[in-house]
Amino acid sequence: AQKVTQAQTEISVVEKEDVTLDCVYETRDTTYYLFWYKQPPSGELVFLIRRNSFDEQNEISGRYSWNFQKSTSSFNFTITASQVVDSAVYFCALPHITQGGSEKLVFGKGTKLTVNP
Amino acid sequence: DSGVTQTPKHLITATGQRVTLRCSPRSGDLSVYWYQQSLDQGLQFLIQYYNGEERAKGNILERFSAQQFPDLHSELNLSSLELGDSALYFCASSSAPRGSYGYTFGSGTRLTVV
Repeated sequence: AQKVTQAQTEISVVEKEDVTLDCVYETRDTTYYLFWYKQPPSGELVFLIRRNSFDEQNEISGRYSWNFQKSTSSFNFTITASQVVDSAVYFCALPHITQGGSEKLVFGKGTKLTVNP
Repeated sequence: DSGVTQTPKHLITATGQRVTLRCSPRSGDLSVYWYQQSLDQGLQFLIQYYNGEERAKGNILERFSAQQFPDLHSELNLSSLELGDSALYFCASSSAPRGSYGYTFGSGTRLTVV
């Protein structure tokens, strides 16, 4: 079964520091997607990125970057020059194909990031 | 605004009661997923509907039930509520039975059972 491990429960940094959130996953699928979501204090789940397992190139979006390494089953997320508004819980997720051919997202436990001014 | 609408945003009710949570998917999406987020269990998949039919079941208690209506909105019914049912309930939608191409989440309903 799919499993997602986010070993870092909480991280605290000072504004402008770079921070990396780790995600390690387990899957028997040969092709799959990986997701990152952000949950700010207001509670909603905000989509950040979807990555196909075929594509191991790093992705950069503004201050956000993602490092996908299939060899180590990791999909790490880096925030450069962190800001107070980045304070949130970040979830890594992996789809699991159900018996009926449908799908559900398996989430990690999340990493709570606090960026202090 | 994600396009997925969940109502109510907050709900406080007593043990033993029954509540209904409502979700309207993003326009054009046929799949609706329900997730429960609790402090001890994290984000857990409950159930999925696609175009009115149940497609997958997760860790959903027998006291809970859901349905998807012809207009594609979905309702999650929670009955005989217990203190442990207090959680944030999310609805997500996707265009296909499998959401690998993208899931859109609503802002959640925070249920407090007292």
